[in-house]
Amino acid sequence: NAGVTQTPKFQVLKTGQSMTLQCAQDMNHNSMYWYRQDPGMGLRLIYYSASEGTTDKGEVPNGYNVSRLNKREFSLRLESAAPSQTSVYFCASSELADSYNEQFFGPGTRLTVL
Amino acid sequence: KQEVTQIPAALSVPEGENLVLNCSFTDSAIYNLQWFRQDPGKGLTSLLLIQSSQREQTSGRLNASLDKSSGRSTLYIAASQPGDSATYLCVSFAGGTSYGKLTFGQGTILTVHP
Repeated sequence: NAGVTQTPKFQVLKTGQSMTLQCAQDMNHNSMYWYRQDPGMGLRLIYYSASEGTTDKGEVPNGYNVSRLNKREFSLRLESAAPSQTSVYFCASSELADSYNEQFFGPGTRLTVL
Repeated sequence: KQEVTQIPAALSVPEGENLVLNCSFTDSAIYNLQWFRQDPGKGLTSLLLIQSSQREQTSGRLNASLDKSSGRSTLYIAASQPGDSATYLCVSFAGGTSYGKLTFGQGTILTVHP
């Protein structure tokens, strides 16, 4: 089992460019999440998908869109990148969203927006 | 709104020392509390998960306690080793209407020097 995988590992963008961060899990989990981690801020939830076919906003959704492509894959898109989106992005998954199931995290994508 | 605070922000100790990392949270209505380890440039690795009905959990040299009434958790590391050097995150899990909300502390950066 690879667990949760993310691509790319690193990315540098110019302001205004767009890109999609990919996430996949092989644990047959129903729920998937996107977080960003900034110095001194802890991890903050951007969007989540409680189950295939549903997506909902988290704490900091502005400037992002998501797609739950199938049960395995959950992508995060930046339509017009801004320097404020420079961060480390983590994808996570869990069996269910609304009960106390452990979340498993991917290795992260380090994004720099110039 | 739940807030999770970790003290100290950074800790440097010599190898072999026993140490305690502290975590406090403002809302005691949590389902569980989890401790993660994060190595530089890597994702989060779950160390211990304490359910709200439990007082502590142990794994090897690690022991985590939970006191919901006082809003505190501690992570005890016995006989620290250089390989324990990492950032340790305390995360509370609260039930929600549609998803379980994780609230992350900002982490304690631990350095264990030989």
